[in-house]
Amino acid sequence: QVQLVESGGGVVQPGRSLRLSCAASGFTFSNFVMHWVRQAPGKGLEWVAAIWFNGNDKYYADSVKGRFTISRDNSKNTLYLLMNSLRAEDTAVYYCARGGRHDFFGESEYWGQGSLVTVSS
Amino acid sequence: EIVLTQSPGTLSLSPGERATLSCRASQSISSSYLAWYQQKPGQAPRLLIYGASSRATGIPDRFSGSGSGTDFTLTISRLEPEDFAVYYCQQFGSSPITFGQGTRLEIK
Repeated sequence: QVQLVESGGGVVQPGRSLRLSCAASGFTFSNFVMHWVRQAPGKGLEWVAAIWFNGNDKYYADSVKGRFTISRDNSKNTLYLLMNSLRAEDTAVYYCARGGRHDFFGESEYWGQGSLVTVSS
Repeated sequence: EIVLTQSPGTLSLSPGERATLSCRASQSISSSYLAWYQQKPGQAPRLLIYGASSRATGIPDRFSGSGSGTDFTLTISRLEPEDFAVYYCQQFGSSPITFGQGTRLEIK
């Protein structure tokens, strides 16, 4: 069965960096677009970033562009999100989600359980 | 950026009633790129509808989606206790991908 397991969350000071990981299993990871979606406490869903199946194309929300980097290692079936220059407003649960095949953003049928990132001094 | 506006913000209904949730886009989107999700407290979102009207795997047939262009609707024909949750629409026709702000469906 498809599984997505995030890790790497925690408490971090403003301005510092953190890297999230998402380990995928149960499907051919290298065939699918992958997304990061976040949810601030008590708020709605916010799409953060997406990466094509081969890692060649990456897309970002304006709120994180220039600070966050999405990447993937298809040999390890793992998705990453490197978050630099973190701000208080980046505090959220971060979900990885599977998208469509190859270069189709797609709806997300599969989601991880989420990883909480808290930015606070 | 395509803005999705969901209405109402909160919907108070009783089990057995019919729920109609609206999602309006700031510009026309292909039905192929419109999805609906359900989220319960402490849980990840669950895909309900994709392609505006197709039910995802395992979704009961009391859930249905419709619409085109800028106006989309999620209908729950007869509410069950487990349907009370927050519902989001999403468009992924162009970057940035966007979600509506959500409709909270609460028990009256």
